[in-house]
Amino acid sequence: KAGVTQTPRYLIKTRGQQVTLSCSPISGHRSVSWYQQTPGQGLQFLFEYFSETQRNKGNFPGRFSGRQFSNSRSEMNVSTLELGDSALYLCASSSLGGNTEAFFGQGTRLTVV
Amino acid sequence: AQKITQTQPGMFVQEKEAVTLDCTYDTSDPSYGLFWYKQPSSGEMIFLIYQGSYDQQNATEGRYSLNFQKARKSANLVISASQLGDSAMYFCAMREGRSGGSNYKLTFGKGTLLTVNP
Repeated sequence: KAGVTQTPRYLIKTRGQQVTLSCSPISGHRSVSWYQQTPGQGLQFLFEYFSETQRNKGNFPGRFSGRQFSNSRSEMNVSTLELGDSALYLCASSSLGGNTEAFFGQGTRLTVV
Repeated sequence: AQKITQTQPGMFVQEKEAVTLDCTYDTSDPSYGLFWYKQPSSGEMIFLIYQGSYDQQNATEGRYSLNFQKARKSANLVISASQLGDSAMYFCAMREGRSGGSNYKLTFGKGTLLTVNP
């Protein structure tokens, strides 16, 4: 079955702009979570959605937001981009119950100039 | 305090030899899960192995095994018979709370860069 799909793979934006990243989870998975990866801070949890509801949020400013649609696809939005937002953004999907490993997409590499 | 500590920024191993990547964790939750992921230069996080806090036996998945020492709060990854394709970043991660509960959040360590030499 198809894996987690993130689009676009690469993005270059200018400071002050906003950006929307998309994530399509594995079919049947209802939990989608987002992570930011930078060389300095490593992998940090942004937020998690389940059945269109945000269940958990990391320690990020309000410029970072997300949503989940009824088909479990998720988007995250970053407004008023800053240079420090340059990072690899990873999306993960998981099912519930038992050994619930998270399956990750290939990520979106965002560069803010 | 860091919840996941990986003390080895980089490791080198000869092809066909075994290597152990260290991971210690900190939690007061009696129910948790420990994961290892591999991240090649392409960026994708690849799930390797999982250990639940109540599992009695160490997890194994092919060439990967997890040396789980609960009292010491360590969950080291052992890769047997290393291959050139094993060269990558390796991350230890923890999920606190009951599996299937209302909290799917992974906390990651800083990672270990493994280089397999021919």
